Order: sequence, then structure tokens, then C-alpha cells
Amino acid sequence: GAGVSQSPRYKVAKRGQDVALRCDPISGHVSLFWYQQALGQGPEFLTYFQNEAQLDKSGLPSDRFFAERPEGSVSTLKIQRTQQEDSAVYLCASSSPGLAGRYGTDTQYFGPGTRLTVL
Amino acid sequence: EDKVVQSPLSLVVHEGDTVTLNCSYEVTNFRSLLWYKQEKKAPTFLFMLTSSGIEKKSGRLSSILDKKELFSILNITATQTGDSAVYLCAVEAKTSGTYKYIFGTGTRLKVLA
Repeated sequence: GAGVSQSPRYKVAKRGQDVALRCDPISGHVSLFWYQQALGQGPEFLTYFQNEAQLDKSGLPSDRFFAERPEGSVSTLKIQRTQQEDSAVYLCASSSPGLAGRYGTDTQYFGPGTRLTVL
Repeated sequence: EDKVVQSPLSLVVHEGDTVTLNCSYEVTNFRSLLWYKQEKKAPTFLFMLTSSGIEKKSGRLSSILDKKELFSILNITATQTGDSAVYLCAVEAKTSGTYKYIFGTGTRLKVLA
């Protein structure tokens, strides 16, 4: 596609519900990133995929957060048993390696985000 | 701990003014510094800086990096109301074994007509 797309754009969940957020990266982009952006803050790294491999999940705040990218394109971020502190905008970004083939280190292009509100 | 600090946190100016936004950083294994503009949607890419002292320019926007003093500035000349946004600075650095972006909290710019 022309850019990174995410769905849904808005999600309201009751505390304790599970949610699934989808990201469609730019076609052909190998690297995919998830970020969490709280109100008034900059995005914070959650996890990183290179193709279908999840190479870094050091930013996931708890074991309630799970991400997958089974075919190396679309990715899903799942949050189980949502809590109020999970309320944030979840951004997805993708990139492709530059001429030097440095995976994950080239300009990231962001989707519009999913605004999650947990009541 | 790696960190990126932006200043000011917010700024209100009038159309035609020139603004300078600051970004300082303390990271290990620095690779690049990026500026993004975020309105009520996806952050959009402005600049990537890797070398000290080389100004990057795009229209009324320009940016430069100082790797010795560990900071970057983003200049916007002849500001317009459409420049109103949050400007994010991100540093690409290696943590937990992979390169990733560390963002500052952003500078919220409001340009009044």
C-alpha cells in the first residue's frame, strides 16, 4: 500500500477485556516496530520484527502484551486482560534496509495509530 | 540510561516568526538522529542526521547535528499556522542488542495567525 495502515483507529475496552490491534506495513518493508504513546509523551518502543522473526521485545511492559507477524507482513499486537494504564495510542512503523543492508536502522514510516481507551 | 530531552516543551509564536527547537541526548552506540512532525495522526518524517555539522534543509525547515555536544536543533523560518504540531526528536541507538528509536517527549508548537 501507499503507507502504513492500522486498525481499528479507535478502540474502547472494558478493563479485563482482550484487544487485538492490526498493522499493515508498507509493502516490501522488512522491519516492523510497535510503539506505545501515552498522552503528552513521545512514543516508547515495544517490539521489533524483521520479517516474521521477533528480534526484540524488550519494551513490552508485561506478559499481557503479545505481538506476532506470522507471514512477515501484517502484524497484530494483542493485549490480554486490559488495564487502565494500557490506555494510549499504539503506533506501528515499518522500514526497509538501506543500501548497506542495515536491517531495522533506516527511516521508519509510521501509521496513524490506534487510540486505546480502557474504562 | 539512554535518554532524549527536548526543549522547550511548548511554544507559541505568531506567523512569520522563526523558531528553534532543541534536542539533546545521552545514549550509547549512537547511529542517527531523526526529526518527525506529529499532528493528530502519524508522525511524518522530516530529517535524518548522522554526521556533525552538515545542515539538512527542506523548504523553511532545517536541522543540524552536533555529535560532540550531543544535540540537534530544528529551525523553522517564516512560520505558518500549518506548522502547528508536535515535533518529535528520536535517536537511533543500540539497546538490548538491537538498534531502535528513543524518542523525546516532543515540543508542541502553536503558530497563531
